[in-house]
Amino acid sequence: DTGVSQDPRHKITKRGQNVTFRCDPISEHNRLYWYRQTLGQGPEFLTYFQNEAQLEKSRLLSDRFSAERPKGSFSTLEIQRTEQGDSAMYLCASSLTSENQPQHFGDGTRLSIL
Amino acid sequence: AQSVAQPEDQVNVAEGNPLTVKCTYSVSGNPYLFWYVQYPNRGLQFLLKYITGDNLVKGSYGFEAEFNKSQTSFHLKKPSALVSDSALYFCAVRESANQGGKLIFGQGTELSVKP
Repeated sequence: DTGVSQDPRHKITKRGQNVTFRCDPISEHNRLYWYRQTLGQGPEFLTYFQNEAQLEKSRLLSDRFSAERPKGSFSTLEIQRTEQGDSAMYLCASSLTSENQPQHFGDGTRLSIL
Repeated sequence: AQSVAQPEDQVNVAEGNPLTVKCTYSVSGNPYLFWYVQYPNRGLQFLLKYITGDNLVKGSYGFEAEFNKSQTSFHLKKPSALVSDSALYFCAVRESANQGGKLIFGQGTELSVKP
């Protein structure tokens, strides 16, 4: 079990730039989740995939955000035209489909907008 | 709407003493409840879960939690705290009827264990 892997670990960019993050879930997990965590807060749900299908999106996910999981394995989260308020830790988690299975989290990508 | 409250921002405990980190929840159906721990600059590590059955659940690193339906609580406990338990702890809930499985987290409680 290699765990959930996220890349990069840190991203510093200027306001207005586009950024893309990658998440590699645990190999047999068919569910993949994205969360956002700001300082002093718990993670907030953004979106999730069942295999390659994106089944739910939070209202937090503005039209500047897009997520994909094209082959049902790794996923990418892109933020276009970044804003100061996008600065946060972006966490990826994966799980088996069974309803009582816990989600396993990666170490996150910390995004800093200059 | 689902929600989780962790009423204490910080809990301070002496090493060797018992610890409790409090969590209350609100869901419209049956809850699935989880505790996670987060160390600095790391993701969340799963500690334990309550799905159904025995109200006292045991998890990793000697932690346990007690589900109390009447008080809608799921407090995390450990009989004897270690300095290495110092970290940020999150309680999370999802409705059993929520097929998607998204978690709603509390704001976190920082546990500090002093030697």
